[in-house]
Amino acid sequence: GEDVEQSLFLSVREGDSSVINCTYTDSSSTYLYWYKQEPGAGLQLLTYIFSNMDMKQDQRLTVLLNKKDKHLSLRIADTQTGDSAIYFCAESIQGGGNKLTFGTGTQLKVEL
Amino acid sequence: EAGVAQSPRYKIIEKRQSVAFWCNPISGHATLYWYQQILGQGPKLLIQFQNNGVVDDSQLPKDRFSAERLKGVDSTLKIQPAKLEDSAVYLCASSSGQLNQPQHFGDGTRLSIL
Repeated sequence: GEDVEQSLFLSVREGDSSVINCTYTDSSSTYLYWYKQEPGAGLQLLTYIFSNMDMKQDQRLTVLLNKKDKHLSLRIADTQTGDSAIYFCAESIQGGGNKLTFGTGTQLKVEL
Repeated sequence: EAGVAQSPRYKIIEKRQSVAFWCNPISGHATLYWYQQILGQGPKLLIQFQNNGVVDDSQLPKDRFSAERLKGVDSTLKIQPAKLEDSAVYLCASSSGQLNQPQHFGDGTRLSIL
């Protein structure tokens, strides 16, 4: 079955790196996504990775995928106060019609 | 490029009343999704349309929820009658419809049931 898990909360100091982790159970995942949600807003697509890749870098964001362990991480370099938000990972399943299964979200708090 | 538009942003109703939400996807996007996001949880898919046809409505509580996309563009989601547990944010998303193209979300409608 499909299940995506994340830790609930992460606190970092401004300027440090943040690492948000996600585990999933379905081995037929094709794409894995990271979305950001600020208070009162919808979900903003940050980045996504195809399941046959193990790393993707996009400016301050680095996505690492360990397909053997079904583990996905999002690293944010030089974390800023504007990065404070809830971060969701999501997977789409082969043959699932692009349906996304989301984790419960990780609330990132950036302190001065 | 204009994003996904949703209205209203907020709605407060009493239980057993009815409510409707509207969504206009990104221009040219064939696939439209409605999600329910309960406080403290990730979004859960309610229904997926491809043009004006339903692809997946397996998680839609059909005794009270309905949705349509008659002309294959904008869509409405209705709840009748509402229950207390329907309090949530209802998010609309769209994608081009090509395999594994990312979904883009609107800001959602926050529904409170009294």
